[in-house]
Amino acid sequence: AIQLTQSPSSLSASVGDRVTITCRASQGISSALAWYQQKPGKAPKLLIYDASSLESGVPSRFSGSGSGTDFTLTISSLQPEDFATYYCQQFNSYLLFTFGPGTKVDIK
Amino acid sequence: EVQLVQSGAEVKKPGESLKISCKGSGYSFTSYWIGWVRQMPGKGLEWMGIIYPGDSDTRYSPSFQGQVTISADKSISTAYLQWSSLKASDTAMYYCVRPLYSGSYYYFDYWGQGTLVTVSS
Repeated sequence: AIQLTQSPSSLSASVGDRVTITCRASQGISSALAWYQQKPGKAPKLLIYDASSLESGVPSRFSGSGSGTDFTLTISSLQPEDFATYYCQQFNSYLLFTFGPGTKVDIK
Repeated sequence: EVQLVQSGAEVKKPGESLKISCKGSGYSFTSYWIGWVRQMPGKGLEWMGIIYPGDSDTRYSPSFQGQVTISADKSISTAYLQWSSLKASDTAMYYCVRPLYSGSYYYFDYWGQGTLVTVSS
């Protein structure tokens, strides 16, 4: 089974900072990767799909890149509402899904 | 408007059975997969399995195969997640999700509000 790792597991940042989170797959997954944001007590929200496509309604400060085994989620200018936990997720052709362990972004 | 509305919180004892539900509305329930995701207290997201209500095709994560049963009643647009014998380690928040095909891959574009299951003696 494909495993996903994320780095860092947590980070502290300030409003206005550029933030980059990395997700690595144990084997190549082409562009079959999504990113989700979860705030405490809430259901996750889809941000990015197909590795780099922005979900409708998601601010343009969020962007995704990568293919194969290495992917990144970038927040170009961190806003107060962006403090949350971020998960990557992959899909395979057997309709099996895996989530990464998550990256918590909190206030410095 | 697409909505996934889950049943309310449950408190059960070890060994008891449980079935929680997720009602879909605002879309053709039989034309989309619907699945379940577990989140244990303070932990990350774990995909459990999905079902296609149109023909009941069901896929399970290897980690949850044999531990839970996923089903659906298309006549009332509702999916279910059930346990025959709960354990304390089943204590978690459970989300239902709708996988959407982007044209290339599947992602979870809609999520239910979550059902908190607490198993304690």
